[in-house]
Amino acid sequence: EPEVTQTPSHQVTQMGQEVILRCVPISNHLYFYWYRQILGQKVEFLVSFYNNEISEKSEIFDDQFSVERPDGSNFTLKIRSTKLEDSAMYFCASSRDPGANVLTFGAGSRLTVL
Amino acid sequence: GEDVEQSLFLSVREGDSSVINCTYTDSSSTYLYWYKQEPGAGLQLLTYIFSNMDMKQDQRLTVLLNKKDKHLSLRIADTQTGDSAIYFCAESIGTDKLIFGTGTRLQVFP
Repeated sequence: EPEVTQTPSHQVTQMGQEVILRCVPISNHLYFYWYRQILGQKVEFLVSFYNNEISEKSEIFDDQFSVERPDGSNFTLKIRSTKLEDSAMYFCASSRDPGANVLTFGAGSRLTVL
Repeated sequence: GEDVEQSLFLSVREGDSSVINCTYTDSSSTYLYWYKQEPGAGLQLLTYIFSNMDMKQDQRLTVLLNKKDKHLSLRIADTQTGDSAIYFCAESIGTDKLIFGTGTRLQVFP
């Protein structure tokens, strides 16, 4: 069964460093998403991406964050100048169409900021 | 605003039915979902229901939707130890994002 793959599975970084989280969505999917889950809290929407541009973003997704689809397969989340409160599990997801919004999620990348 | 609430824990005996409940606030939800998260894994879609439906059954899973009370439930028949996981309720607002609940940790004991 097709799956969304994310790398790295766990990254530890120093506060202030830049981090890039990578995702390979399912190949025939057109809509891409990032969500995050701070330990013990809800899964929160960050951003959606379609046709090479952001279609919606949450209040969390400020200038510190950016997304990119640098080639035909990868979808990346960049966090500039990480803060302690960015420590979370980051989930990538993709869907073929937004009608039923049936998302396939990756296993997540755990980011720990020290 | 948009909010989805779930109880945090549920413990059931193997073979019994489990019922996980969820309430939401946004009446404009188009779809409602149940996701399962096993340790170290991502969010796996279990089932979803369109907001104009009352019930959906899929093998051991039954979803009930009470739109008037904004209440969604997931019933798992003949619960097995492999069903132990965190179950997330989510609602779709528009087409671009899901609003998730806190998750209910289901523990199945022999």
